Amino acid sequence: KAGVTQTPRYLIKTRGQQVTLSCSPISGHRSVSWYQQTPGQGLQFLFEYFSETQRNKGNFPGRFSGRQFSNSRSEMNVSTLELGDSALYLCASSLALGDREINEQYFGPGTRLTVT
Amino acid sequence: AQKVTQAQTEISVVEKEDVTLDCVYETRDTTYYLFWYKQPPSGELVFLIRRNSFDEQNEISGRYSWNFQKSTSSFNFTITASQVVDSAVYFCALSLSARLNSNSGYALNFGKGTSLLVTP
Repeated sequence: KAGVTQTPRYLIKTRGQQVTLSCSPISGHRSVSWYQQTPGQGLQFLFEYFSETQRNKGNFPGRFSGRQFSNSRSEMNVSTLELGDSALYLCASSLALGDREINEQYFGPGTRLTVT
Repeated sequence: AQKVTQAQTEISVVEKEDVTLDCVYETRDTTYYLFWYKQPPSGELVFLIRRNSFDEQNEISGRYSWNFQKSTSSFNFTITASQVVDSAVYFCALSLSARLNSNSGYALNFGKGTSLLVTP
């Protein structure tokens, strides 16, 4: 079974631009989460989608948004890019089966975003 | 609020040594899940183990073992007979119980990570 895929793998943008990152979960996985990883702040949760609905959101400004499609693929968008948005953006998918059951999240290789 | 602390920022060992990575967590919830992930230089986070708060049994998987102690809110990870391929950053993470159709979701709270270097 193919793992989580993310595109593009590397991206260079300038301040003020916007960017869209894409994530395809493992086949059959219905939950997709996004994380930002920086040297200073570490791994921080951005948001999670399940059945095309945002179920949880981390403490990030409204410039960060996302969506999930009916096939569980997800995109995240960052508008008005700032230098501090330079980071590795990781997508994770989870099976999400069963009430009160939490499934482990499987991560993609990430998108390395550099804002200049 | 939930918090995960990995006090060891960097650890360096010589191959074949045993090494323990510490993880201390904080949560007021009685139901929660603990995880360990490995991040090799390639950058992709690799899932290692999941533990729920009701299962304090220690687990062993090959050279890896985990010690979960609710009394001390710790979930430590030991690598026995370390190898160069074990060199990576290891993250401990905490998540609350999630219910379908709820607002809680599957958010993982990560520690800052411990960078392990195993030299020949």
